Amino acid sequence: DQQVKQNSPSLSVQEGRISILNCDYTNSMFDYFLWYKKYPAEGPTFLISISSIKDKNEDGRFTVFLNKSAKHLSLHIVPSQPGDSAVYFCAASEGGADGLTFGKGTHLIIQP
Amino acid sequence: DGGITQSPKYLFRKEGQNVTLSCEQNLNHDAMYWYRQDPGQGLRLIYYSQIVNDFQKGDIAEGYSVSREKKESFPLTVTSAQKNPTAFYLCASSIGLSNQPQHFGDGTRLSIL
Repeated sequence: DQQVKQNSPSLSVQEGRISILNCDYTNSMFDYFLWYKKYPAEGPTFLISISSIKDKNEDGRFTVFLNKSAKHLSLHIVPSQPGDSAVYFCAASEGGADGLTFGKGTHLIIQP
Repeated sequence: DGGITQSPKYLFRKEGQNVTLSCEQNLNHDAMYWYRQDPGQGLRLIYYSQIVNDFQKGDIAEGYSVSREKKESFPLTVTSAQKNPTAFYLCASSIGLSNQPQHFGDGTRLSIL
């Protein structure tokens, strides 16, 4: 039973446009959400996070939106750059220092 | 430079053998984690430790063992009881408080000969 779902295995976006990656979750106890970026044969790199008391968090070109009632979060990248091409993982936690639950990832491809 | 070091990068094991994957961090983090990634899949939690000399099973702990004798080290042993050990193994650490991100090493790819 997947508690964190990323329903788009891949997404292609033109350079300079907005990339929107989506994530849905089913566990109501999740209260901390993260996005990671990953290249092949490397470890994931932390991008941005949001706690359940907020609905938006920004860091440079990256913005994460959280809709608790819909159990949905999204990552917006504006403007998209060629170096953004990677697999993006959504992850969630019930708080504390327990492990994270990950989605299966979305492969973002930035077209020149 | 602070970070998480996993070694080796690639590891080969004969069937029936135990193998130990190393993870060291110099970030002074209290919590450490082991995940497994299979092709086309997300990361799945194997074991985690929030403090020295203590650890908890994650979602897929069967066939694995860990120890946490030092704050900076969290080795993972893949035992012969793990029926499908071929995977990419990732170690992570965090400060250990609520709502703090985990930071990952570059992984070890384990293959069965």
